Amino acid sequence: GAGVSQSPRYKVAKRGQDVALRCDPISGHVSLFWYQQALGQGPEFLTYFQNEAQLDKSGLPSDRFFAERPEGSVSTLKIQRTQQEDSAVYLCASSLATKQETQYFGPGTRLLVL
Amino acid sequence: AQSVTQPDIHITVSEGASLELRCNYSYGATPYLFWYVQSPGQGLQLLLKYFSGDTLVQGIKGFEAEFKRSQSSFNLRKPSVHWSDAAEYFCAVALNTGGFKTIFGAGTRLFVKA
Repeated sequence: GAGVSQSPRYKVAKRGQDVALRCDPISGHVSLFWYQQALGQGPEFLTYFQNEAQLDKSGLPSDRFFAERPEGSVSTLKIQRTQQEDSAVYLCASSLATKQETQYFGPGTRLLVL
Repeated sequence: AQSVTQPDIHITVSEGASLELRCNYSYGATPYLFWYVQSPGQGLQLLLKYFSGDTLVQGIKGFEAEFKRSQSSFNLRKPSVHWSDAAEYFCAVALNTGGFKTIFGAGTRLFVKA
C-alpha cells in the first residue's frame, strides 16, 4: 500500500518568507509525528498528533513553527518568517495506534532558506 | 534529560566482515529502543525494535541488537556486511510519556570497502 508521502520534496525560501509543508500519513494511522533533521544530525522531535489532537508540541523551536491536523489525516507544518537556521529536512512519520507502534517515515522535505 | 549517544560518527568495514554499531541511552525507565537505517535520498527504515522480553532481537536484513540494561546499551550487530549496507544508522529511544516522543542519536555512517 501507499506509504507516508510529503510535499514538496524540496523547497527554497527567501529569509522572511512563510512556508507550508504537507504530510499525508498512511491511511488509518492515528498517530502522526514531525521531526527536524539538520545536516549531519539525527532527527529531532517537533510535535505529535493523535488524530486531530496535538498532544505534544514540546519540540517546536519557536512560535514561528505551527502544525495542524484538522481532520485527523493530512498534516501541515507551517514555518513563518523563515530564518537560515530553519534549513533542514523535515520528516513526517505515522503509526497505526495510540500506543507505541512502529513509525513509518516519509521521504522528507528538504528546506533551504537563503 | 533523556539522551541517546552513538559514539562512532563513522565506521568502515570490509565487505564480509562483522559489524557492531554502539548505542547508549540515558533514561530512567525501561525505554522502547529502535534502530533505523537511512540511505541517501531515502526515508528512515526501521531495522528492529525492543519493547520487552527477550533482550536479543532480530531485525530485517540480517541485523540483530542486544539490550543490556546494566550498560544502558543497545548495540546493533551483523555477522557479515554487504556493500548495500552502506548507509547512516540511527539508534532511537521512545519515551512512554503519552506522546511517545522519540529521541534519536546523531547517527553512525557506515562505509563498506570491497
